[in-house]
Amino acid sequence: EAEVAQSPRYKITEKSQAVAFWCDPISGHATLYWYRQILGQGPELLVQFQDESVVDDSQLPKDRFSAERLKGVDSTLKIQPAELGDSAMYLCASSRTPRGGFGETQYFGPGTRLLVL
Amino acid sequence: QKEVEQNSGPLSVPEGAIASLNCTYSDRGSQSFFWYRQYSGKSPELIMSIYSNGDKEDGRFTAQLNKASQYVSLLIRDSQPSDSATYLCAVKKMEANNLFFGTGTRLTVIP
Repeated sequence: EAEVAQSPRYKITEKSQAVAFWCDPISGHATLYWYRQILGQGPELLVQFQDESVVDDSQLPKDRFSAERLKGVDSTLKIQPAELGDSAMYLCASSRTPRGGFGETQYFGPGTRLLVL
Repeated sequence: QKEVEQNSGPLSVPEGAIASLNCTYSDRGSQSFFWYRQYSGKSPELIMSIYSNGDKEDGRFTAQLNKASQYVSLLIRDSQPSDSATYLCAVKKMEANNLFFGTGTRLTVIP
């Protein structure tokens, strides 16, 4: 069964350092999402791509976060500089249909757990 | 007002009992509803989706949707210790493709 891949699984960094996370969605999935999940809360959307285009990045802190999906396949999420409050699980998800797909299931990767010291 | 609200629990039930998890949402235009299970330190995995009013059953799980009351629930019959996890309710609004999640309800099934 195809899965969403993410790396690294764990990352410890010091504040003010740069970190990057990678996601490879399920093959053929047009839509890719990055969510952030703070401990004890539900995931919150950071950015959504349809193919290589950003559909929604309204909740992405653009002064320090950036995301790209250059060829419409895998994606990278970067934080620079990292802050203590960025400690969280970063989840990547993908779904098959383009934006507007009714009821389309999102499949989550294993996540990257980030700890900023 | 939060988009999706859940009782954070913890909810404890004895093994073999029925666990009832509830969720309310604020946007009446929401069209798709999902229940995800998340074990500690793991990512969410889909249990069920429901789109129409009424009940939808899948094995030991039953999702119930009442759009008039803006209410979604998940029933787990014959609860097992392996069902102990956090259950996330997620809602897809009509104008967006992303999911809005509740904070999750932590369920503990006691052997």
